[in-house]
Amino acid sequence: DIQMTQSPSSLSASVGDRVTITCQASQDITNYLNWYQQKPGKAPKLLIYDASILETGVPSRFSGSGSGTDFTFTISSLQPEDIATYYCQQSDNLPLTFGGGTKVEIK
Amino acid sequence: EVHLVESGGGLVQPGGSLRLSCAASGFTFSDHFMDWVRQAPGKGLEWVGRIRNKANKYITDYAASVNGRFTFSRDDSENSLYLQMNSLKTEDTAVYYCGRVSTLRNAFDIWGQGTMVTVSS
Repeated sequence: DIQMTQSPSSLSASVGDRVTITCQASQDITNYLNWYQQKPGKAPKLLIYDASILETGVPSRFSGSGSGTDFTFTISSLQPEDIATYYCQQSDNLPLTFGGGTKVEIK
Repeated sequence: EVHLVESGGGLVQPGGSLRLSCAASGFTFSDHFMDWVRQAPGKGLEWVGRIRNKANKYITDYAASVNGRFTFSRDDSENSLYLQMNSLKTEDTAVYYCGRVSTLRNAFDIWGQGTMVTVSS
């Protein structure tokens, strides 16, 4: 199984800050990497697929990059509505696997 | 509007069974692979498995943790997905989500709201 290591597990930042989350795969997954946002009590929501493609309707302050084993998710200017837990997920191989999540809070 | 709505969750004793349903609307259900993902209380997301579409012979794949105990099925005429859970364990306690696998994005582009399954004596 492909292990996804996500860091940090939590972070606290101010409104307007740039926030970066990393995700490392245990083997090459090319660009088959997705990012989801989950707000408390809600289902996850797809933000980015294929490592860097923004899902329709997602604000442009969200972005993703990377390939192979190392990936980055960025919020360019943190907004209060971005408070959530973010998960990476590899879609290269079954079983699909998720990172452990990053809880983003406002300082 | 595209929707997935899960139902059937509840409290069940260890060793018991439960059947979850996921009703789809607003899209051509039969075109899509459909997956189940679960989330234990306070924990992260765990993929449970997949049922493919008719063109792919409804082939299923299961996570090792549920293989042999859980069974996926679907009724394309009813736009419905099912998860039969047998021999339930306390560690199966979780919110269960059904998710649509996008035909274009190799990702879950639509999720249901989830249904809670609690396995406890």
